[in-house]
Amino acid sequence: DSGVTQTPKHLITATGQRVTLRCSPRSGDLSVYWYQQSLDQGLQFLIQYYNGEERAKGNILERFSAQQFPDLHSELNLSSLELGDSALYFCASSVAPVANYGYTFGSGTRLTVV
Amino acid sequence: GENVEQHPSTLSVQEGDSAVIKCTYSDSASNYFPWYKQELGKGPQLIIDIRSNVGEKKDQRIAVTLNKTAKHFSLHITETQPEDSAVYFCAANQAGTALIFGKGTTLSVSS
Repeated sequence: DSGVTQTPKHLITATGQRVTLRCSPRSGDLSVYWYQQSLDQGLQFLIQYYNGEERAKGNILERFSAQQFPDLHSELNLSSLELGDSALYFCASSVAPVANYGYTFGSGTRLTVV
Repeated sequence: GENVEQHPSTLSVQEGDSAVIKCTYSDSASNYFPWYKQELGKGPQLIIDIRSNVGEKKDQRIAVTLNKTAKHFSLHITETQPEDSAVYFCAANQAGTALIFGKGTTLSVSS
């Protein structure tokens, strides 16, 4: 157990639908990062939150959004889902606002869009 | 932004052999280079990292080297074992924001 908790582990939904993925960071970590992992694109950085504020954006689609709550858990919202959004979604946490230290990853949420 | 290239994409070795995975990065401002191991059905796990003020770092059977001038870094695994079979990712930090990852190397160690 890495200390980073992601729920649900698996999610199957239809095209056009909206889903919410949840992440609880490791105790003491203030940064949460979201990544998308697909077979041909590897680990793609989506977005980072630090202590409740958005800090950095990567290749996140406009249909996707995220937030970090006062208790530091984070949610990634994916809407108007397309078949191509099927992937593993990981969150990772770290203590620092900048990526000068290794992250701790959760075990991921596997999203299947049918 | 930062771009990280990783080679090879697949690597097969015999148990006891050495394995080397190489990465290049584009942003000269990057100063932190971790390596992650991902086993089937799990999230990536940090196995070793190196900072730009260090040229080499070792931890038992694994070592990482960094050449800042050439902007490349490598992972070396000696005396490979079947349990080393996994996907390995290199990464570089991008201008104080997030880690940017290579596309991964699938290492297979046969006994």
